[in-house]
Amino acid sequence: RKEVEQDPGPFNVPEGATVAFNCTYSNSASQSFFWYRQDCRKEPKLLMSVYSSGNEDGRFTAQLNRASQYISLLIRDSKLSDSATYLCVVNNPMAGGYNKLIFGAGTRLAVHP
Amino acid sequence: EAGVTQFPSHSVIEKGQTVTLRCDPISGHDNLYWYRRVMGKEIKFLLHFVKESKQDESGMPNNRFLAERTGGTYSTLKVQPAELEDSGVYFCASSQDLWGEQYFGPGTRLTVT
Repeated sequence: RKEVEQDPGPFNVPEGATVAFNCTYSNSASQSFFWYRQDCRKEPKLLMSVYSSGNEDGRFTAQLNRASQYISLLIRDSKLSDSATYLCVVNNPMAGGYNKLIFGAGTRLAVHP
Repeated sequence: EAGVTQFPSHSVIEKGQTVTLRCDPISGHDNLYWYRRVMGKEIKFLLHFVKESKQDESGMPNNRFLAERTGGTYSTLKVQPAELEDSGVYFCASSQDLWGEQYFGPGTRLTVT
């Protein structure tokens, strides 16, 4: 089983649509959770961190359910510029101060006119 | 502020040759990470430096890979000898604090033929 599993893509949606991505993680010791965005042939860029209380940044809302080890990302009023691959990322904390990121395979979003 | 830079952006080499990738982190960032994305797979952690010390190299595939960070500034990742399965995109990331946001470089696309 993969450490971070995401919805298979691609998601093809019209402009203005609301789209939701889901992600599950297997390491119950994970403490930090993120959504990264990656454009084609570019580097991943942090979209938002995810907190237990849920957090919102404009059209983007992230939720975390620690009990179910489940993370979600909701995008409202989709724009053409939202087309990208969205990566669910969790940390893998280890004794001694190690902190590596574990990436999901990503979910591709294509927003069309 | 300059971001993480990587050199070269692309490298095409033959099986059995040696390649050295370079990463310059954001100035002042003690933490430097190497990741790799093999085609069709998720981004995977390779190793983590804190200053010039290897904190965690649990993701290094085998002893054909050697990473260094002399002086705690830039880092190199050498693959010797390269094999076909080493093809992929190698990302470098840096962060100021252990738990801080990791900023990614544009990656080096390595093709081994």
